[in-house]
Amino acid sequence: EVQLVESGGGLVKPGGSLRLSCVASGFTFSTYSMNWVRQAPGKGLEWVSSISSNSNYMYYADSVKGRFTISRDNAKNSLYLQMNSLRAEDTAVYYCADDNSGSWGQGTLVTVSS
Amino acid sequence: DVVMTQSPLSLSVTLGQPASISCRSSQSLVYSDGNTYLNWFHQRPGQSPRRLIYKVSNRDSGVPDRFSGSGSGTDFTLKISRVEAEDVGVYYCMQGTHLFGGGTKVEIK
Repeated sequence: EVQLVESGGGLVKPGGSLRLSCVASGFTFSTYSMNWVRQAPGKGLEWVSSISSNSNYMYYADSVKGRFTISRDNAKNSLYLQMNSLRAEDTAVYYCADDNSGSWGQGTLVTVSS
Repeated sequence: DVVMTQSPLSLSVTLGQPASISCRSSQSLVYSDGNTYLNWFHQRPGQSPRRLIYKVSNRDSGVPDRFSGSGSGTDFTLKISRVEAEDVGVYYCMQGTHLFGGGTKVEIK
C-alpha cells in the first residue's frame, strides 16, 4: 500500500522559512515524479511544484517561483519543499502527491502570520 | 494559459439518484503521446483528496463502479450512477500539468 507522510509544517512569521518533508513507502519512489499541492483554508486545490524521478526537472507555480525549492532524496524515499520568503497567502495545507498511484498524504499545515 | 472550468459549483442529490459533473478545458488535453491526461478527485470534509479516475475513464483501485468518467478533447464528465451518503464532498478535475478545476460540492438532499 502506498503511504505518503508529510511533516514540517507550523507557524512562521512573514518573510520566514520552513522546510517540508514527505516520506514515501509502498512503491518504488525513485521511479516516479512527485508533486506538492496546497489548499488554503476553505479554498480549492493549487499545484505548487513537481520534480522528475531523477531530479533532472523541477517545475513551479508562478506564485512560488523563486521562493520555493523542491528536491528529493531517492535513497531516503523522501521529498522536500524548502519554502523561503513566506507570505500570508502561502498559508495552506500542503500535500505530497504521487501521480502514478494517485495517492496523497494527509497534509501538513503551514500558517504564515505575525 | 489553460483554464479548467467545472460545473455546477454545487449539486444537491437524492440518495440513489444519479449525479453528473462537467469539466471543460480551454485547450485540448490530448498530449503528443496520444493520451488525454484528465483526472478526477474526491475530497471528503476534513480528508485528503483521493483520485477516482485517471486518463479520462480509468477507475483507480478500490473505486466503486458507480463512478465513471468520459469525454474527449476539451469536454469531460464524471458520473455517479447512484449517489450514496459517502459520496458527499468536493470533486475536482485536474489536467496533466496539475491544473485543477474549481471544484463541485456534492451534498445529499
